Amino acid sequence: DAGVIQSPRHEVTEMGQEVTLRCKPISGHNSLFWYRQTMMRGLELLIYFNNNVPIDDSGMPEDRFSAKMPNASFSTLKIQPSEPRDSAVYFCASTRDVPNYGYTFGSGTRLTVV
Amino acid sequence: AQRVTQPEKLLSVFKGAPVELKCNYSYSGSPELFWYVQYSRQRLQLLLRHISRESIKGFTADLNKGETSFHLKKPFAQEEDSAMYYCALRRGGKLIFGQGTELSVKP
Repeated sequence: DAGVIQSPRHEVTEMGQEVTLRCKPISGHNSLFWYRQTMMRGLELLIYFNNNVPIDDSGMPEDRFSAKMPNASFSTLKIQPSEPRDSAVYFCASTRDVPNYGYTFGSGTRLTVV
Repeated sequence: AQRVTQPEKLLSVFKGAPVELKCNYSYSGSPELFWYVQYSRQRLQLLLRHISRESIKGFTADLNKGETSFHLKKPFAQEEDSAMYYCALRRGGKLIFGQGTELSVKP
């Protein structure tokens, strides 16, 4: 099992550019989550999907952020236009909809917006 | 509202000393609680879940419903235990994290 796979590992972009982060969850997991980690705010849940359907996007900062899950094996988080304050590590995680089943996290994408 | 509180941002101990990382939660039902560890700039890894009552890498955590706590303990800290530790509560499909405690184990 390759685990949760995220790409790219690092992304440096200029302010105003579009950024797309990608995630492949573990096969058989039916819930997927996007988190953002910063020194100031810690781990924040941005959005989560269950069976490819967005369930809760209340953590998405603003309209510049959007996420999709077109199928059970792929999700994207897009920021357009990007701003320096979006600089953070973005983690994707997946799990099964089973009580007390832990989440598996990807290695994260370190985004720097200059 | 469901909440997880880790009161200590940083905990510094010497090698061989006991460690206790505090976690308190607010939740009215039966909680699903976890501890995650994040070594320097790596992914979060599941360390413990309360339901399994296991010991991983010498760490244990006991759920105390009366005190609404799920503290993480280790009798003898090792330098390789230095990392960020996050307590988390699962509710409604979401995993709610505390702010994390950085454990620093000095030689």
